[in-house]
Amino acid sequence: DARVTQTPRHKVTEMGQEVTMRCQPILGHNTVFWYRQTMMQGLELLAYFRNRAPLDDSGMPKDRFSAEMPDATLATLKIQPSEPRDSAVYFCASGLVRDGTSSTDTQYFGPGTRLTVL
Amino acid sequence: DQQVKQNSPSLSVQEGRISILNCDYTNSMFDYFLWYKKYPAEGPTFLISISSIKDKNEDGRFTVFLNKSAKHLSLHIVPSQPGDSAVYFCAASADGGSNYKLTFGKGTLLTVNP
Repeated sequence: DARVTQTPRHKVTEMGQEVTMRCQPILGHNTVFWYRQTMMQGLELLAYFRNRAPLDDSGMPKDRFSAEMPDATLATLKIQPSEPRDSAVYFCASGLVRDGTSSTDTQYFGPGTRLTVL
Repeated sequence: DQQVKQNSPSLSVQEGRISILNCDYTNSMFDYFLWYKKYPAEGPTFLISISSIKDKNEDGRFTVFLNKSAKHLSLHIVPSQPGDSAVYFCAASADGGSNYKLTFGKGTLLTVNP
């Protein structure tokens, strides 16, 4: 049963510390998304990658957030320095786009990382 | 600027009855719409989708209706079951598919009472 995995599941840190969240997409998927869920904003897209290249990171605060895909099996989201307003659940999702055509295959979400910044 | 709006934060229905969840959008470029379901402490899971070339799509107890002129879609669950209790997110894409940029609504918490 293929799943998106995320680590850690929970993270409590102090303001100013660096936070790194990791995601392992489903094997064979070529598109990876990072979302943030808060009560106020709901589910927001932060960034997404296709074939490891960033396609859109317009939803991400550039000064403190960064997203990378070191290889096809790992995506990372870093916050440095973290702030209390970054407290949220961060979801990674993956999917497959075939040959650049529109895909009706769904995005598969991981279980999320619940981040609390004190 | 919320391009996808779910104006009802919560909905409560009796088991066996119909649940109707609503979603409005403002971006006329959206051409593919999806509903996701989310249980606590889990990620959202895909439920059903509809392309803008259709006005209805059905999958078992779930039916999604799209009214393009009103920029409105709805999810009908018939009959509702207690296991349907979850948060439902409406999402939209302007690229014709679900593996492109999705814009989500804030969600509606559905509670189905036994």
